[in-house]
Amino acid sequence: GAVVSQHPSRVICKSGTSVKIECRSLDFQATTMFWYRQFPKQSLMLMATSNEGSKATYEQGVEKDKFLINHASLTLSTLTVTSAHPEDSSFYICSAKEHEQFFGPGTRLTVL
Amino acid sequence: RKEVEQDPGPFNVPEGATVAFNCTYSNSASQSFFWYRQDCRKEPKLLMSVYSSGNEDGRFTAQLNRASQYISLLIRDSKLSDSATYLCVVKCSNDYKLSFGAGTTVTVRA
Repeated sequence: GAVVSQHPSRVICKSGTSVKIECRSLDFQATTMFWYRQFPKQSLMLMATSNEGSKATYEQGVEKDKFLINHASLTLSTLTVTSAHPEDSSFYICSAKEHEQFFGPGTRLTVL
Repeated sequence: RKEVEQDPGPFNVPEGATVAFNCTYSNSASQSFFWYRQDCRKEPKLLMSVYSSGNEDGRFTAQLNRASQYISLLIRDSKLSDSATYLCVVKCSNDYKLSFGAGTTVTVRA
């Protein structure tokens, strides 16, 4: 069964609004979780590494003030896309590592 | 240059055929290699790790060539359910970060 869940699975929002995506590890504690973004027909691109109890580490070119990450517990990390624009429309996937990296089912964000 | 490059395909093959494709990586310090499978609009799922000596898992065979920095995946006796995008994934030894290729699409037809 799934070991990493994401919520919501799909969200449609208006331009300028903020959207929060939750990532949960279900059967294990994850001190580190990862957030990826995947545009159509492209590879998963790592956006940031989420560290429990400390600040996230962002990849080059990813705006930390736009993509807010909070890893408040060992089983939950959240990604908030602030002031979303149509170009933020994408498939957002989180992962958590136990003995291997398990991926969440993804969140498809559409910004109108 | 992208860290991981794959032929996007698509590879359209009949059931029962053998299909093979490669992936190249740019970082010679890469230590771990994987093939993931991704179905349309779904998350990636680990298909198999790739070991230096090459390894098989049922109908799937993976090879690693460190000298030429490429990895291959071969699927024998293709099934309709093998239709998916196959992602080549590479990891350096010193962190958890995974680098993904854009994927190779395989379509198996009846």
